[in-house]
Amino acid sequence: AQSVTQPDIHITVSEGASLELRCNYSYGATPYLFWYVQSPGQGLQLLLKYFSGDTLVQGIKGFEAEFKRSQSSFNLRKPSVHWSDAAEYFCAVGPNTGFQKLVFGTGTRLLVSP
Amino acid sequence: KAGVTQTPRYLIKTRGQQVTLSCSPISGHRSVSWYQQTPGQGLQFLFEYFSETQRNKGNFPGRFSGRQFSNSRSEMNVSTLELGDSALYLCASSDPSKDTEAFFGQGTRLTVV
Repeated sequence: AQSVTQPDIHITVSEGASLELRCNYSYGATPYLFWYVQSPGQGLQLLLKYFSGDTLVQGIKGFEAEFKRSQSSFNLRKPSVHWSDAAEYFCAVGPNTGFQKLVFGTGTRLLVSP
Repeated sequence: KAGVTQTPRYLIKTRGQQVTLSCSPISGHRSVSWYQQTPGQGLQFLFEYFSETQRNKGNFPGRFSGRQFSNSRSEMNVSTLELGDSALYLCASSDPSKDTEAFFGQGTRLTVV
């Protein structure tokens, strides 16, 4: 069965500190992997995606993620968090045919303290 | 370039009624997917349409249906509404011929009372 696990429901980080959000997936075939961000009352915005090739991918807003096949993980990182990064973050996995039928994790809510 | 437009943004319906939600994709995008987001179940895939054909379907009862028009606009319909159908319904459009992102609309917040 296809599934995505985000073990942290909430994370609080001080502004300027580094961030790592965890994501583990279970998928039968070679998946496409994504991180999305959602601000309150808004839709989802794609931060970055991994299809193939270099396992360290760069995204928007200074985010990066590393794909580790052996650990079935795709953790999101940012070296220095800004207050505007406070939002909910979703990891998702999908078929290698594109962006359809994504399976999402339950999300991690990021709180940024001053 | 206009983004994905979902209408209406907010909707309140009574149990037993039916509702139709609309999604206008980004120009040139022929794939439209629908997702339901609830606090309890998270984001769940409903269905995906491409060139007016349903290509993928999630695990939802038959009360949930959709369609896509020749201009790629899509509608989803929920009949015999239940309290549990209260959710944020998100639409996403993409161009499957390119490895580009799926763009999400802001969603329609449906409340069933």
